[in-house]
Amino acid sequence: GESVGLHLPTLSVQEGDNSIINCAYSNSASDYFIWYKQESGKGPQFIIDIRSNMDKRQGQRVTVLLNKTVKHLSLQIAATQPGDSAVYFCAENRNSGYSTLTFGKGTMLLVSP
Amino acid sequence: DGGITQSPKYLFRKEGQNVTLSCEQNLNHDAMYWYRQDPGQGLRLIYYSQIVNDFQKGDIAEGYSVSREKKESFPLTVTSAQKNPTAFYLCASSLGQGGEQPQHFGDGTRLSIL
Repeated sequence: GESVGLHLPTLSVQEGDNSIINCAYSNSASDYFIWYKQESGKGPQFIIDIRSNMDKRQGQRVTVLLNKTVKHLSLQIAATQPGDSAVYFCAENRNSGYSTLTFGKGTMLLVSP
Repeated sequence: DGGITQSPKYLFRKEGQNVTLSCEQNLNHDAMYWYRQDPGQGLRLIYYSQIVNDFQKGDIAEGYSVSREKKESFPLTVTSAQKNPTAFYLCASSLGQGGEQPQHFGDGTRLSIL
């Protein structure tokens, strides 16, 4: 089937490497951020979230870093595995207008065995 | 298991036809959302509902309609007025209202034109 990953930035890593996926956001009023993983033909899966009163949050094999000064969000995946291959995208609550999430376009992560 | 169920997985629409995409959740979530996803693009919000019998337009509501008669169900109708309906449609729900809750997604419906 058609991939949602067409024309996306791609990060290629070897199995076991650490991966870093970046996301820039534009609204300094954004106060809540989420990272999602989307495999081909499936819906996005929640990975981790962070609120603007934090600059780092860790989960299992994943860490999210928030730099509010430069409006930058990153997702670090430790010991990347082939099963991590997917499109990853960030979402933010811009806290303006109607209150819901705004989603980035995503980055495709390809993990080679 | 609790989750969001979208059906059908694949749907084909003929010229001038309205089609309805189903979305059901058993998470007891108040808020539900419909998004459209095109290749290489982020999710775009079509409609959302924060409570039963109430819904609001998102960024690209033209050519679509929704209803929210039950908490568990939020069907999306793609009308013949939507001239470019081919896309992957995703339904989501969240526990509370607003944008400070994670949204949980179904596995989508892929709509194509015959």
